[in-house]
Amino acid sequence: DAKTTQPPSMDCAEGRAANLPCNHSTISGNEYVYWYRQIHSQGPQYIIHGLKNNETNEMASLIITEDRKSSTLILPHATLRDTAVYYCIALYSGGGADGLTFGKGTHLIIQP
Amino acid sequence: EPEVTQTPSHQVTQMGQEVILRCVPISNHLYFYWYRQILGQKVEFLVSFYNNEISEKSEIFDDQFSVERPDGSNFTLKIRSTKLEDSAMYFCASSEDRGSGWGSTDTQYFGPGTRLTVL
Repeated sequence: DAKTTQPPSMDCAEGRAANLPCNHSTISGNEYVYWYRQIHSQGPQYIIHGLKNNETNEMASLIITEDRKSSTLILPHATLRDTAVYYCIALYSGGGADGLTFGKGTHLIIQP
Repeated sequence: EPEVTQTPSHQVTQMGQEVILRCVPISNHLYFYWYRQILGQKVEFLVSFYNNEISEKSEIFDDQFSVERPDGSNFTLKIRSTKLEDSAMYFCASSEDRGSGWGSTDTQYFGPGTRLTVL
């Protein structure tokens, strides 16, 4: 799986959009971009994933650049409960049993 | 909404003892996983399981670890002789089987974890 690079920490004001970047310059054409988050020591929580097109669900939006070398996770209206470590992970398509490779992620702190 | 459950939430054991961590994956899922997270460190993949056998395992998953699906609902991780360094959060995850090949993907859903403390 391709290596991903994320800033170690970010701050965002409550109510504003939080934009979390991720670089995956070596991603291959059949690797998805997945985002998870971990609140304190809880189990990682799935947020969203995408391959080429931008994606949106009830939690977030995922913007993937045309060359697929980077992506941005957008939390449109951040709340204090969104304070967590966010992980961007590249995962090979079709590898049903592949383990996820977690990096250090971005520690997002939502400020009141 | 279906979710992965794990028991116990916290397990304390003496070094050298055997422990079994239990997980109930989401009911229609066919792939099962164990991960661990030592305090302050990254989440690490241990093993994946499909069709009653291990599909993939990491270097961490040595002979002291074993996994089993003893019945239709439970998925267990056994540590035969615990060491101090086994103290960690252990997370179970599961995913559907959407088939192999281009364009398929299997989102993994995680349980809340079991905190294992080895004294």
